[in-house]
Amino acid sequence: GENVEQHPSTLSVQEGDSAVIKCTYSDSASNYFPWYKQELGKRPQLIIDIRSNVGEKKDQRIAVTLNKTAKHFSLHITETQPEDSAVYFCAGTDSSYKLIFGSGTRLLVRP
Amino acid sequence: GAGVSQSPSNKVTEKGKDVELRCDPISGHTALYWYRQRLGQGLEFLIYFQGNSAPDKSGLPSDRFSAERTGESVSTLTIQRTQQEDSAVYLCASSFSANYGYTFGSGTRLTVV
Repeated sequence: GENVEQHPSTLSVQEGDSAVIKCTYSDSASNYFPWYKQELGKRPQLIIDIRSNVGEKKDQRIAVTLNKTAKHFSLHITETQPEDSAVYFCAGTDSSYKLIFGSGTRLLVRP
Repeated sequence: GAGVSQSPSNKVTEKGKDVELRCDPISGHTALYWYRQRLGQGLEFLIYFQGNSAPDKSGLPSDRFSAERTGESVSTLTIQRTQQEDSAVYLCASSFSANYGYTFGSGTRLTVV
């Protein structure tokens, strides 16, 4: 079945710097890759997603890239702000189209 | 409603008791999912309903766990004979269809004492 690995587990950056979180997946048939942001005590919220027929997608300060050959995808956050501090989860779909989540990255943006 | 609604938001129960958690998905969403999140941990898949298909129960950790869904509406997750290791936040999510992004509910925080 699908396995999604996520790195790093924690990431600390200075406000204004960029942050990159990387994920790899195992199932080559996986075709949908969302990213979720979870603030402390809150529900996970979808922030961006990408399908396997697209290599890159941007939405203001966030972007996601996908390399199907290498089976990895990344989240890029530019000009980080303190409110970007949260846990970020990547995910990929398995053969029944449910999401399998990575283990999460705790991002801390230092003011 | 506008979002995924879960109840209760908090539940404290004694070890050995049964509990029932409820999820009301977004209207029109055919897919409904239950995940478990232990404190500081990731999202552990439990069960998945898609339309009228047989549910994917592959994530249920033991036969103490079961779930039902009425058509494309409300779902209930039942945990029988609760144990302390069942303490977690139980998150429900729904999506327009399979292979679409989820909208999560705010979860039920279950504490077994």
